[in-house]
Amino acid sequence: KAGVTQTPRYLIKTRGQQVTLSCSPISGHRSVSWYQQTPGQGLQFLFEYFSETQRNKGNFPGRFSGRQFSNSRSEMNVSTLELGDSALYLCASKRTSGNYNEQFFGPGTRLTVL
Amino acid sequence: SQQGEEDPQALSIQEGENATMNCSYKTSINNLQWYRQNSGRGLVHLILIRSNEREKHSGRLRVTLDTSKKSSSLLITASRAADTASYFCACDNNAGNMLTFGGGTRLMVKP
Repeated sequence: KAGVTQTPRYLIKTRGQQVTLSCSPISGHRSVSWYQQTPGQGLQFLFEYFSETQRNKGNFPGRFSGRQFSNSRSEMNVSTLELGDSALYLCASKRTSGNYNEQFFGPGTRLTVL
Repeated sequence: SQQGEEDPQALSIQEGENATMNCSYKTSINNLQWYRQNSGRGLVHLILIRSNEREKHSGRLRVTLDTSKKSSSLLITASRAADTASYFCACDNNAGNMLTFGGGTRLMVKP
């Protein structure tokens, strides 16, 4: 099976702009989660989508939003970019084995905000 | 706040030696997972240990879980230069819908 893919891999934006990142999960995986990784805060959970519905949300401002399509592909959007939004954004899809979930991560999108 | 805290933050060893990384967490978990990350790339899932398991092996990896102490350890035996990476523990909350990561251990294996 192909792994989780994320596009674009690298992105440079300026403050105030908005950005959309895309994630295609492993075939058959219906859950997609997004994480932000920064040197200062580490890996932080943004949100999780399952069957086109946001099922869980981390502690991020409303500028961060996402959605999931019927084919399980997901996008996340960050509006009014700030310098602190510079980070590696990781997407993960999940296979559920009983009550225990293993997440498979994509290579990430590195966003730089100037 | 991060659920898992890892120790040490950085570890440097010679090839062939064993590497041990520890993770402590605060609240009850459904399972605990370990991931590897090479130089700012995506995370690679290494091993998952369930809350009712105490030890698990996968190749050169050995993971233990002590729920009474809320701690886990990852042992990499006979390390190789290719094991150089950051290693993260991740706690799966009881809802199973999100992972809470520790700060990671940066492992350097010198040839």
